[in-house]
Amino acid sequence: QSVLTQPPSVSGTPGQRVTISCSGSRSNIGSNTVNWYQQLPGTPPELLMYSNDQRPSGVPDRFSGSKSGTSASLAISGLQSEDEANYYCATWDGSLNAWVFGGGTKLTVL
Amino acid sequence: QVQLVQSEAAVKKPGASVKVSCKASGYIFTNFGIGWVRQAPGQGLEWMGWINADNGNTLYIQRLQGRVTMTTDRSTSTAYMEMRSLRSDDTAVYYCARDGDSSSAGHYWGQGTLVTVSS
Repeated sequence: QSVLTQPPSVSGTPGQRVTISCSGSRSNIGSNTVNWYQQLPGTPPELLMYSNDQRPSGVPDRFSGSKSGTSASLAISGLQSEDEANYYCATWDGSLNAWVFGGGTKLTVL
Repeated sequence: QVQLVQSEAAVKKPGASVKVSCKASGYIFTNFGIGWVRQAPGQGLEWMGWINADNGNTLYIQRLQGRVTMTTDRSTSTAYMEMRSLRSDDTAVYYCARDGDSSSAGHYWGQGTLVTVSS
């Protein structure tokens, strides 16, 4: 069972907007910034978002992140077939003294 | 550009040890920490621990303490993760991942090393 809670799956049609939630607690999301990673099938994870809402260079602005209290969200607008992947949130947990990941969300583009 | 190149896949028997390497290039090695993350088949990501590439300070998750050791060789810009007393549930792809600024985890990732533990 992961420290951060994500929905196992979400889906959407091309062009649609989807959001992926990530729920934690005061010791992790409530106290620290959140990163998001995208993992395409058979490849290593890649950083998609850091410090809640900062996109690394090369990440399209269709991807956006936010955080409020002990939850964070990743939004993907203008959904494309190549967005089909697993998405993970992560943050530092001050009680565990460790980085913790969400269980991952599989995005299916219908 | 930043690159992390890991060692090849390994097959080990239960009780054995494995040492995975991660050779870094494209940046000043001692300026950023390196974390290790593993992913069991069909499962999510598990952060295992982290090493300060400058002074060698380490941090391991509690359930792996005593079985895992992370080190670096600054002369070759290479990080290592050694795990001992391997069990079948240690079968996973092991990734090294370089920090970003402010020790933000996972800004650059290696290609992964599959470690299979089987008798």
